[in-house]
Amino acid sequence: NAGVTQTPKFRILKIGQSMTLQCAQDMNHNYMYWYRQDPGMGLKLIYYSVGAGITDKGEVPNGYNVSRSTTEDFPLRLELAAPSQTSVYFCASRPGPTEAFFGQGTRLTVV
Amino acid sequence: DQQVKQNSPSLSVQEGRISILNCDYTNSMFDYFLWYKKYPAEGPTFLISISSIKDKNEDGRFTVFLNKSAKHLSLHIVPSQPGDSAVYFCAASGGNKLVFGAGTILRVKS
Repeated sequence: NAGVTQTPKFRILKIGQSMTLQCAQDMNHNYMYWYRQDPGMGLKLIYYSVGAGITDKGEVPNGYNVSRSTTEDFPLRLELAAPSQTSVYFCASRPGPTEAFFGQGTRLTVV
Repeated sequence: DQQVKQNSPSLSVQEGRISILNCDYTNSMFDYFLWYKKYPAEGPTFLISISSIKDKNEDGRFTVFLNKSAKHLSLHIVPSQPGDSAVYFCAASGGNKLVFGAGTILRVKS
């Protein structure tokens, strides 16, 4: 039982490049979330999903896209990377309106 | 708009004393509240939670208090230990969202 797994752990992107941050959970949780944490700041909700095929915007969705084709996976896509997207990204899942379990994070730098 | 606010960026306490971390929220739709602890280079880990139908929940050294009329919750850690030094995030759940505050850095001095 691995919990929530995020890949990669670190990535450096050039401005304008695209990439997908992967998130997978093996707990059969319906709810999944993507957050970003900027230095010295809190966790800002980017997108969330309540089940396969259902996604919704959070507080800071601009510049990102998500999909949820299976219960297990919730990838986050950056289409045109910008320096403002330099951050640590966390994925989380929960079975319902209870506590969420987090991955270890992906540290992304856009140069 | 910031729906969950932690107005104290940092807190320093002596080992053995009480640590009190505070959190305010603005949205009445929130019905479940959580505290998370985070160490550098790790994901947040769940600490304790409280439902909106309760006003107190205890788990060992950790107690969370909820004042619905004031839209305020607090986390009490007694006694504080050096290993408690971390960033503490308050979170609120309502509908399908889970929203976090900016965090408070707790330093417990030995």
